[in-house]
Amino acid sequence: DQQVKQNSPSLSVQEGRISILNCDYTNSMFDYFLWYKKYPAEGPTFLISISSIKDKNEDGRFTVFLNKSAKHLSLHIVPSQPGDSAVYFCAASADGSARQLTFGSGTQLTVLP
Amino acid sequence: DTGVSQNPRHKITKRGQNVTFRCDPISEHNRLYWYRQTLGQGPEFLTYFQNEAQLEKSRLLSDRFSAERPKGSFSTLEIQRTEQGDSAMYLCASHYLQGIRGYTFGSGTRLTVV
Repeated sequence: DQQVKQNSPSLSVQEGRISILNCDYTNSMFDYFLWYKKYPAEGPTFLISISSIKDKNEDGRFTVFLNKSAKHLSLHIVPSQPGDSAVYFCAASADGSARQLTFGSGTQLTVLP
Repeated sequence: DTGVSQNPRHKITKRGQNVTFRCDPISEHNRLYWYRQTLGQGPEFLTYFQNEAQLEKSRLLSDRFSAERPKGSFSTLEIQRTEQGDSAMYLCASHYLQGIRGYTFGSGTRLTVV
């Protein structure tokens, strides 16, 4: 039973355009959500997070949107850069402090120059 | 070096052998986590420590797996009687209890059981 789903295994975007990565979850107890970026041969790197009390969080080029009623979150990257090419994982926690994370299966983003 | 360090980076072992991995977290981080990642999947939680206490274990962590964190510093993950299904990337992460940002992951140990 996949509680966190990333239904798009891959996404290609032109440099300078917006990248939108999507994530759906089924567990209504999740109250903290994170995005991680992973380059080959490296561990995942924390990108941005959002608490369930918010519907938007922004950090530079990265914005995460949370729609609790739809159990859906998305990561927007504007403008996309070739260095953003990586696997992006959505993760969720039910304890408010990210003690135990449930990850999605990832989306490979390719930003084309 | 302020990152999470994992050793070895790669391990190839024969089925039935025991293996041990080491993780050195960021020094001021009091929480330490082990995750496992298989090809095409996201990381799966295995266990976590707060200081030296192991507070949670996933059902994925069978009795062949044991983790320790003596003195609340580095941690070891041992797999006894390895099986081919244990082949995966084993990721360690650390986190400061009151921190609001996510974990810091190490680069992982890739285990191949032949």
